[in-house]
Amino acid sequence: AQTVTQSQPEMSVQEAETVTLSCTYDTSENNYYLFWYKQPPSRQMILVIRQEAYKQQNATENRFSVNFQKAAKSFSLKISDSQLGDTAMYFCAFMKQRTSGSRLTFGEGTQLTVNP
Amino acid sequence: EPEVTQTPSHQVTQMGQEVILRCVPISNHLYFYWYRQILGQKVEFLVSFYNNEISEKSEIFDDQFSVERPDGSNFTLKIRSTKLEDSAMYFCASSGLAGLSYEQYFGPGTRLTVT
Repeated sequence: AQTVTQSQPEMSVQEAETVTLSCTYDTSENNYYLFWYKQPPSRQMILVIRQEAYKQQNATENRFSVNFQKAAKSFSLKISDSQLGDTAMYFCAFMKQRTSGSRLTFGEGTQLTVNP
Repeated sequence: EPEVTQTPSHQVTQMGQEVILRCVPISNHLYFYWYRQILGQKVEFLVSFYNNEISEKSEIFDDQFSVERPDGSNFTLKIRSTKLEDSAMYFCASSGLAGLSYEQYFGPGTRLTVT
């Protein structure tokens, strides 16, 4: 079974600064996907960024980037130029790569607060 | 941009009653999922559905739960004889064919309160 661990229950950052959220996972799979989802106070789950395990290049989406270390089973999220709208709960998630739809396994989440 | 929709946004029910939560997945998606999130906790997988049958379910998804795709657009989660501990946010998600479009897109959720 896969497990996802987010060791930082809460973090805060000043507006315009950079913050990094940590995530580690445990799996015996070689092919898989990793995701970061954002959950603002509305509780909607919003996909932020994805990473395929077979790709060595770290994914980037505008101000969001990841540091994917496959051997260390680490998948951190960096948010640059933090904005007030980035305040949310952030969940790291793992999915096996299969021919049919696979479940997402989520971590416990990190509550990020961006301060003005 | 296409999105997953869910109704109702909030459902209050009495313990022992049956509830049906409804979802309309993204139209060209083939895989459908239900997840739940108890307040303050992480999101947990319940079930996945493909080609009109369950493809995977978690240990949470016991005989109390069932899923159905009654027509070409809706995807429902039925909870029979609700319990207090079923109070949670229930999310529907959908995705395309794995390998082509594997990302799961979530609906806004239905908040279920069992009293």
